[in-house]
Amino acid sequence: SQKIEQNSEALNIQEGKTATLTCNYTNYSPAYLQWYRQDPGRGPVFLLLIRENEKEKRKERLKVTFDTTLKQSLFHITASQPADSATYLCALDRGFQKLVFGTGTRLLVSP
Amino acid sequence: DTAVSQTPKYLVTQMGNDKSIKCEQNLGHDTMYWYKQDSKKFLKIMFSYNNKELIINETVPNRFSPKSPDKAHLNLHINSLELGDSAVYFCASSSGLAGAQETQYFGPGTRLLVL
Repeated sequence: SQKIEQNSEALNIQEGKTATLTCNYTNYSPAYLQWYRQDPGRGPVFLLLIRENEKEKRKERLKVTFDTTLKQSLFHITASQPADSATYLCALDRGFQKLVFGTGTRLLVSP
Repeated sequence: DTAVSQTPKYLVTQMGNDKSIKCEQNLGHDTMYWYKQDSKKFLKIMFSYNNKELIINETVPNRFSPKSPDKAHLNLHINSLELGDSAVYFCASSSGLAGAQETQYFGPGTRLLVL
């Protein structure tokens, strides 16, 4: 069966460091992958989309990579700030405008 | 100004009751969704409508019935509520362009607690 795995444990880092979050998937070949941010008590907010033929995508301090051979996406936040503390969800395209979400990784950035 | 809005924000009710959650989007999108996020924060799609037509219907008990009166609204009616229905329900929308890679815009969620 299709599976999407993100680190279930929280990632704690210090302000200024680079945070790297992982999204692994099995039994699936998505045409694209998205990353969302979710703050407590709020709905997910779209951050970045990367297509299967793209290796890397950047937006300000955010960078996403997509390795279709390893079936893995990495999400990087450089020069992290306490305001980056949130849960980050990866989501895979399943066709027909359907997204399947991972369980999310909670990021805590300490001052 | 809210792009995707849901009402109510909180819903506390007894087992066996029937309740509805409403969703509206002002983005001009053609596609709307209902998701359920359980206590472990797993976000799972339930339904999707494109221009008032049902296009995704995951394995959801038929106690859950979505209804789309127009493409800007998607409501969710739940009959005979059970304890396991307690969760946060999110509405979302996307532009619905055929073949597009779809960014989804989420509402603030409705926190349902069944006692």
